Parts: sequence; C-alpha cells; structure tokens
Amino acid sequence: DTGVSQDPRHKITKRGQNVTFRCDPISEHNRLYWYRQTLGQGPEFLTYFQNEAQLEKSRLLSDRFSAERPKGSFSTLEIQRTEQGDSAMYLCASRPSGQGETQYFGPGTRLLVL
Amino acid sequence: GNSVTQMEGPVTLSEEAFLTINCTYTATGYPSLFWYVQYPGEGLQLLLKATKADDKGSNKGFEATYRKETTSFHLEKGSVQVSDSAVYFCADNNNNDMRFGAGTRLTVKP
Repeated sequence: DTGVSQDPRHKITKRGQNVTFRCDPISEHNRLYWYRQTLGQGPEFLTYFQNEAQLEKSRLLSDRFSAERPKGSFSTLEIQRTEQGDSAMYLCASRPSGQGETQYFGPGTRLLVL
Repeated sequence: GNSVTQMEGPVTLSEEAFLTINCTYTATGYPSLFWYVQYPGEGLQLLLKATKADDKGSNKGFEATYRKETTSFHLEKGSVQVSDSAVYFCADNNNNDMRFGAGTRLTVKP
C-alpha cells in the first residue's frame, strides 16, 4: 500500500503531556498538509509544507503546536502541554504541487486528552 | 471562516431513492471543487472533483456539476445503495489550502 500513512492511529494522554504524531506521505508528493477534525465537523486546515518548507500556518495552530518536515518526506506534528480541547482526529494529506491537484488523506490519528 | 456550506444532515433515504446534497462555496476566482466521502471507520477518500466551470465530476454513480453562476457543486445520485451510507464532505481548493464543509451524514436503509 503506497498511500498516506499515519502513526499512531490512536493516542490517549493526560492533560499536560506532550504528544507527537507522524505522517508518511505518498512518496512523489511534495506537498503535505495537516488538518484537525472534531466530531460533526469537516477537517480544519492547520498547516502545510512544500517539500521541507512550512509555507502556511492557520491561526488554529497555537504556540503549543509545532510541525516539521526536515527532509521533505515524512512530517511530525507535536503538541506540547496538551489540553482537553486538543482532543480530535488529526489528519495528514499529501498531493503533488499544481493547481487543482487532489489531496490524498491518511487514516488519521485520534487523540484523546484526559 | 469556512467558505464552503453544505446541506445539514443527517439524511436518511430508502434504497434506490434519489440523493441530492447541496453545496455552495464563496471562494473567489476559479477554485477547484471536490466531494470527499468518509465511510465508517475509514479516512477521507476523494469521490469526485471538477476543476473549472461547467465541468461535471462523476464516480460510482455520483455526479456534481461546477456552477460558477450559482457558486454551487451539488452532489447527486439517481439510486442510492445501502453501501453509500457515509459522511460526505464538499471542499474547495483555491491556491494552497483546501476548505471543507461540515459534512453531511447519509444513511441508506434497505
């Protein structure tokens, strides 16, 4: 399977702990996106990378959130000092650059902060 | 704010009924438009897309036409099946990021 993969699929943590999620995009895709999805809502854009460069960040991405894509391949999303409001599904997607290209989504990481 | 508005759910239909899920967008210019589907326990999958005005996207019996004059991309299917039960998301892609509607949950009963 050469689709987008995410790890872990599920994470339960206590408030105040740090968590890190990983996304492996489709290998030839140079754009990588992170989204957050809460129950009953559509995915909300968090940030995206063009190769290793982080080109845009949403206002949803507070200072406790940081994302990296050091070699332009896999990406990590870290949440520091987690809060209960961080509980959500975190989705990763990748696509080629170019107008109108389709984004391909991973299965997501479901985070529950107790 | 979210620039994509879609019909609120949930929608419950009997098998073989006609389906319409409305979607309108507010992005300026010429965004690409998408419908994604999320089956229970699975990730988002592209259902269909259209990249310019008057284009019709189609897949698995679903269709949607890019209407620039009404800024709409309504999803239709002539005869739904139980296996179509899922959450459907409309999205637009203008420049770099993709914005999604809130999703419409469809349940098809036999």
